[in-house]
Amino acid sequence: RKEVEQDPGPFNVPEGATVAFNCTYSNSASQSFFWYRQDCRKEPKLLMSVYSSGNEDGRFTAQLNRASQYISLLIRDSKLSDSATYLCVVPRGRALTFGSGTRLQVQP
Amino acid sequence: DTEVTQTPKHLVMGMTNKKSLKCEQHMGHRAMYWYKQKAKKPPELMFVYSYEKLSINESVPSRFSPECPNSSLLNLHLHALQPEDSALYLCASSQVERGEYEQYFGPGTRLTVT
Repeated sequence: RKEVEQDPGPFNVPEGATVAFNCTYSNSASQSFFWYRQDCRKEPKLLMSVYSSGNEDGRFTAQLNRASQYISLLIRDSKLSDSATYLCVVPRGRALTFGSGTRLQVQP
Repeated sequence: DTEVTQTPKHLVMGMTNKKSLKCEQHMGHRAMYWYKQKAKKPPELMFVYSYEKLSINESVPSRFSPECPNSSLLNLHLHALQPEDSALYLCASSQVERGEYEQYFGPGTRLTVT
């Protein structure tokens, strides 16, 4: 099993839609998790940190299920500007392990 | 806006050249990182510095040589690279204390080896 696995995507959704991405991780000892977004040819930018059962920031909600070793990211009321690749990230000591990313394309 | 800066933005070098990539952060972070990212792939960790000391080397070839002159600066010296080393090189920084692992990335240097 890979350390971090994500939905392969791409997800093509209309503006205003709700979309959810899933991520599973293999290390049951992991305590914290991150979602980064990366625009084409740009650097990854931290979107959300998840330390307990979940986190909410405006239209974005991250949920953690430790028993199933599963993290999700929900985006409500999608905007064109949400189009990007979303990376699920799990710390491994001082290093970060990145999932392969899920591409989201929001269409007008 | 990112508080991690990287220079140059783009670099083209021949296989016999020696060049350096530079990274600077002004967030008071004591951990700094080099990543390599190929197209359509996630970033891959290369090196980690913690308190200016190299703490992780992910079996990176010796043609890549990192250096951390002080807590704000991180360099990556390049020598005798191969065309397959062409990639986006990302620098990141993070806190070390209190188990905070969020890393903040610079804009990257896009390297082409000819």
